[in-house]
Amino acid sequence: SQKIEQNSEALNIQEGKTATLTCNYTNYSPAYLQWYRQDPGRGPVFLLLIRENEKEKRKERLKVTFDTTLKQSLFHITASQPADSATYLCALAGVNNAGNMLTFGGGTRLMVKP
Amino acid sequence: ETGVTQTPRHLVMGMTNKKSLKCEQHLGHNAMYWYKQSAKKPLELMFVYNFKEQTENNSVPSRFSPECPNSSHLFLHLHTLQPEDSALYLCASSQDLALRGEQFFGPGTRLTVL
Repeated sequence: SQKIEQNSEALNIQEGKTATLTCNYTNYSPAYLQWYRQDPGRGPVFLLLIRENEKEKRKERLKVTFDTTLKQSLFHITASQPADSATYLCALAGVNNAGNMLTFGGGTRLMVKP
Repeated sequence: ETGVTQTPRHLVMGMTNKKSLKCEQHLGHNAMYWYKQSAKKPLELMFVYNFKEQTENNSVPSRFSPECPNSSHLFLHLHTLQPEDSALYLCASSQDLALRGEQFFGPGTRLTVL
């Protein structure tokens, strides 16, 4: 069955370091992958989208990689700040999906300590 | 923050009650979605509407009944719910289903079924 896995354990890092979050998937042929940020009690907020034919995407301090051979995406936040503390969700839309329907991973909680 | 609004933000209801959740988007989008987010589980897609037409019903029990009177408004009517239906219900919108882009989420309705 299709599966999207994100590390369910919280990631704790020191301010200024680079945070790296992982999204692995199985039995899936995603056309593109998205990353969202979710704060407690709020809806997810879109961060980045990367397509199957793209290896890397950057936006300010954020970088996403997409390896369709390894079936993995990595999400990096450089020079992390306490304000980056949140849960980060990856979401995939498959080649066979009728349009923009996403399947979400369970999310990884990031805690950046000052 | 104000692109997609949801009311009420919190709702407590008994199993025999009938209530409705409301979502409104001010972004001119044509696709709208209902998601369920339970504790420690990934976001689950429930319903999808594109240009007011329902395009997806993700095996949702009939005690959840969606309604989309126009492209800006989406309702979720609730009837004889179970305690396991307690969750955060999120509404989202996107430009339309054909364009594979970001989804914009509302703040959610925290539902508790007693």
